[in-house]
Amino acid sequence: QTVVTQEPSLTVSPGGTVTLTCASSTGAVTSGYHPNWFQQKSGQPPRSLIYSTDNKHSWTPARFSGSLLGGKAALTLSGVQPEDEAEYYCLLYYGGVQVFGGGTKLTVL
Amino acid sequence: QVQLQESGPGLVKPSQTLSLTCTVSGDSIYGANYYWSWIRQTPGKGLEWIGYIYYSGLTYYNPSLTSRVTLSIDTSKNQFSLKLSSVTASDTAIYYCARVSRGYDFDYWGQGTLVPVSS
Repeated sequence: QTVVTQEPSLTVSPGGTVTLTCASSTGAVTSGYHPNWFQQKSGQPPRSLIYSTDNKHSWTPARFSGSLLGGKAALTLSGVQPEDEAEYYCLLYYGGVQVFGGGTKLTVL
Repeated sequence: QVQLQESGPGLVKPSQTLSLTCTVSGDSIYGANYYWSWIRQTPGKGLEWIGYIYYSGLTYYNPSLTSRVTLSIDTSKNQFSLKLSSVTASDTAIYYCARVSRGYDFDYWGQGTLVPVSS
């Protein structure tokens, strides 16, 4: 069974920079896994931030960026705002099947 | 603006079949541009992809659920549906429907519906 792993929790100071990662049990994550990143706040559905590694939606704040880093998918937040405190999920594509990571709880303190 | 809305019974008994429908507005469900997906989230836990369906009826399912899941699509009503059979308490979750663009972009989601499984 394929497992997608994220950091369970991270803490960042307002104005700081933080990188969340997403690893695959099958090996290095490449662009062919079309990594997606979602933000979820309490009581709300997930909101798509990034698709296919580094593509943003019109609603994605400029401070969010996606990339591949050291064999993992990565989501970097630069100039973190208090409203960025949320759960973040990645999603990887395995030839027709999609697998979510367990999520990273980001605390802004 | 694309909107998706889940609907279905508020409670399902163990061993029964869970049935949900997603109604899409602001876009046509018929067309080669999108897949239509179901995702669930158990209370206090993470997300689990259930499967998706293409307008032609082509489906892809989560291997861990494939024996119990059936997705269907009704282009005349602009709806797609989920059936999950032989449910147990572990199937209690918030069920979301979503549009998938370009094959990989889960861009629009419904608000979700909580389905408890309990006798």
